[in-house]
Amino acid sequence: QQQVKQSPQSLIVQKGGISIINCAYENTAFDYFPWYQQFPGKGPALLIAIRPDVSEKKEGRFTISFNKSAKQFSLHIMDSQPGDSATYFCAAKPGKLIFGQGTTLQVKP
Amino acid sequence: EAGVAQSPRYKIIEKRQSVAFWCNPISGHATLYWYQQILGQGPKLLIQFQNNGVVDDSQLPKDRFSAERLKGVDSTLKIQPAKLEDSAVYLCASSFTGAGTEAFFGQGTRLTVV
Repeated sequence: QQQVKQSPQSLIVQKGGISIINCAYENTAFDYFPWYQQFPGKGPALLIAIRPDVSEKKEGRFTISFNKSAKQFSLHIMDSQPGDSATYFCAAKPGKLIFGQGTTLQVKP
Repeated sequence: EAGVAQSPRYKIIEKRQSVAFWCNPISGHATLYWYQQILGQGPKLLIQFQNNGVVDDSQLPKDRFSAERLKGVDSTLKIQPAKLEDSAVYLCASSFTGAGTEAFFGQGTRLTVV
């Protein structure tokens, strides 16, 4: 019940394309769903986050879609750029942050 | 605003040796976390402090790992004795207290046990 399952494990997208990463959870007590971006040798950095009372949140090229009934949420990266190449983690809380397994995104120029 | 500071950045030790990591959180952040990130995996919470009290240490291998946050500010994480499977990046994070508050991560300490 404390798991957050993330897919795909890796993703290759052409520059300008849409990157989509999915996460699923089971614990209905989760009330905060952030996405973190991590570059090699760096700690994770918050990208965007959503609460379950909202179905979608957009910040620039990054959008979270949230489906409370399905207990799923996803990250969409529009107009993907080579600089977006990184590992992305979904997470959920309350209390402690539970992380997904990560998705390594490669955006080809 | 200064970020979460961690030291050292890298550490190589032999198995059965001991090692300590240090973390200084962002000023004013009452909550401090230590995560273990094994290569290719998501971070796993080892211990969470609220000020100088432990909130969650359910996944801390207490026979070899210990952590303290004596004055409610900086924190140390110790491993004694280290095992090969402890090779990982140890991340410290901090946040204000409360639902939905963002956790800020340090750059981590990469530990290699040989």
